[in-house]
Amino acid sequence: DIQMTQSPSSLSASIGDIVTITCRASQSVYSYLHWYQQKPGKAPKLLIYAASNLQGGVPSRFRGSGSGTDFTLTISGLQPEDFATYYCQQTHRTPRTFGQGTRLDIK
Amino acid sequence: QVQLVQSGAEVRQPGASVRVSCKASGYTFTAYDMHWVRQAPGQGLEWMGRVNPSSGATDSAQKFQGRFTLTTDTSINTAYMEMTSLRSDDTAIYYCARARSPDSGSHLYWGQGTLVTVSS
Repeated sequence: DIQMTQSPSSLSASIGDIVTITCRASQSVYSYLHWYQQKPGKAPKLLIYAASNLQGGVPSRFRGSGSGTDFTLTISGLQPEDFATYYCQQTHRTPRTFGQGTRLDIK
Repeated sequence: QVQLVQSGAEVRQPGASVRVSCKASGYTFTAYDMHWVRQAPGQGLEWMGRVNPSSGATDSAQKFQGRFTLTTDTSINTAYMEMTSLRSDDTAIYYCARARSPDSGSHLYWGQGTLVTVSS
């Protein structure tokens, strides 16, 4: 199985900050890497697909980059609604593994 | 618009079975695989498997093989996830999810989740 490792596991930040979350795959997943946001009690929401493509309706302050084994999700100018847990997922190989998640809290 | 509506919460004893349904609407059901993802309390997301409603072909994580069956009923646009020999660590919210496009792996559409509690 391809292991997906996110860092950090948790992060505290303030409104307006720029934050970066990284996701590393145990082998190349090319650009088959997606990012989700999940809030308590809700289903995950797709933010970025294929490493760097912004899903429709998602604010442009979210940006994804990377390919191969190393990926980043950057949020520029944190807003109150951005405090949530973020997951990466690879869909290059079955099982389509998720990272363990990064919890973003208000400082 | 695309909607995935799941069946309600279930409580089962250890060793029992459970079937969760996911009714799809707003798109051609047979054109997209249906995926299942679970989330144990306070834990992360775990991809379980997928089913192709057109062919019935399935694909799943090895840890679930043998106890886990994915099926569909194309006459009523509904996907099913059945798990047998339930254990306490199967307590989780189970989600169905559909890709954003037939050739995309990312999950754009999600059901509301079904809580399955396994407890004696």
